[in-house]
Amino acid sequence: AQTVTQSQPEMSVQEAETVTLSCTYDTSESDYYLFWYKQPPSRQMILVIRQEAYKQQNATENRFSVNFQKAAKSFSLKISDSQLGDAAMYFCALIKAAGNKLTFGGGTRVLVKP
Amino acid sequence: EADIYQTPRYLVIGTGKKITLECSQTMGHDKMYWYQQDPGMELHLIHYSYGVNSTEKGDLSSESTVSRIRTEHFPLTLESARPSHTSQYLCASSEPTGTGRYGYTFGSGTRLTVV
Repeated sequence: AQTVTQSQPEMSVQEAETVTLSCTYDTSESDYYLFWYKQPPSRQMILVIRQEAYKQQNATENRFSVNFQKAAKSFSLKISDSQLGDAAMYFCALIKAAGNKLTFGGGTRVLVKP
Repeated sequence: EADIYQTPRYLVIGTGKKITLECSQTMGHDKMYWYQQDPGMELHLIHYSYGVNSTEKGDLSSESTVSRIRTEHFPLTLESARPSHTSQYLCASSEPTGTGRYGYTFGSGTRLTVV
């Protein structure tokens, strides 16, 4: 069985500052994918960034980057230059390479202060 | 613009009513999923389908049922709504191959309130 844990229920960040969201996971698979999803209030959940476990290089998408530590089974998300539109629930998720079902963490709410 | 559509967005209904939550996607995805999202925002898989005429129960037991008669359509039905069914319901789909690589595409959700 796979598990994903997000230990921070809520994080607050000042506009233009940086915030890092933590995610740890457990899986017996050697080949898998990790994702961060963003769910704004009353809006559609969207994919922010993804990481292939076989790649050592950390994924980056504009202001969003990850710190993937495979041995430690850690997958944190860094949001740089935070904007008001970044306020949302963020979910970390894991799927084995040949799998069909994502395993989600419990979510972290990000508040952005102007 | 979303390629997966859920209707209605909001629904308030009385106890004992039968309801169907609609989910349609235009991407030709074989795999579709229903999640229930509780007030704490945690996601629970309640149903999934890997293709036409294929449906399975998810990790969280649910009194709802689903059908998959067409690839693009995956409706969820509650025969007799109860206040305990009050929740947000999210529909998602994924590519025929490479679910692992690309993850899911989500709909906007249906927020159901049973009074």
